[in-house]
Amino acid sequence: KAGVTQTPRYLIKTRGQQVTLSCSPISGHRSVSWYQQTPGQGLQFLFEYFSETQRNKGNFPGRFSGRQFSNSRSEMNVSTLELGDSALYLCASSSGTGQNTIYFGEGSWLTVV
Amino acid sequence: AQRVTQPEKLLSVFKGAPVELKCNYSYSGSPELFWYVQYSRQRLQLLLRHISRESIKGFTADLNKGETSFHLKKPFAQEEDSAMYYCALSANSGNTPLVFGKGTRLSVIA
Repeated sequence: KAGVTQTPRYLIKTRGQQVTLSCSPISGHRSVSWYQQTPGQGLQFLFEYFSETQRNKGNFPGRFSGRQFSNSRSEMNVSTLELGDSALYLCASSSGTGQNTIYFGEGSWLTVV
Repeated sequence: AQRVTQPEKLLSVFKGAPVELKCNYSYSGSPELFWYVQYSRQRLQLLLRHISRESIKGFTADLNKGETSFHLKKPFAQEEDSAMYYCALSANSGNTPLVFGKGTRLSVIA
């Protein structure tokens, strides 16, 4: 079956702009998580959605937000972009219950200039 | 708070030599521990999890609650093992986010 799909794969934005990233989970998965990966901080958890509800939230400012649709697809939005937001944003999906395996997408590379 | 520490950023070994990638964690409860691997130009993927107690691609890892460690081992390294390895912890299997270590880059030299 198809894996986790993220779009766009690469994008460049200017400081102050906003960006929306999209994630399509594996069919049947109801949980979608987002992580930020940077060379300095590594992989950091942003938030998790399960059945359209935010179930867990990491320690990021309110400029970072997300949502999940009824088909489990998810989007994350970053407003008022800062240079430090340049990172690889990874989406991961799982069934969200029990001892399930988390599958990652290839990520969206965001560069803020 | 949960924390995962991988003390080595880079580990270089010769082909055929044993490999041990270290992982220590901090968590007061009963965690679930994972090893994820990222090969060049590929996505992050699960290598193994402690509850499965299985060997994947010759790698094993044992959870040592006394030492709060979950080191990854392989008796004979292969060139195709060269990759970035991340240790991760989940406080509650399936329902809580993964906390990752900073990763160790394994380089296997022919």
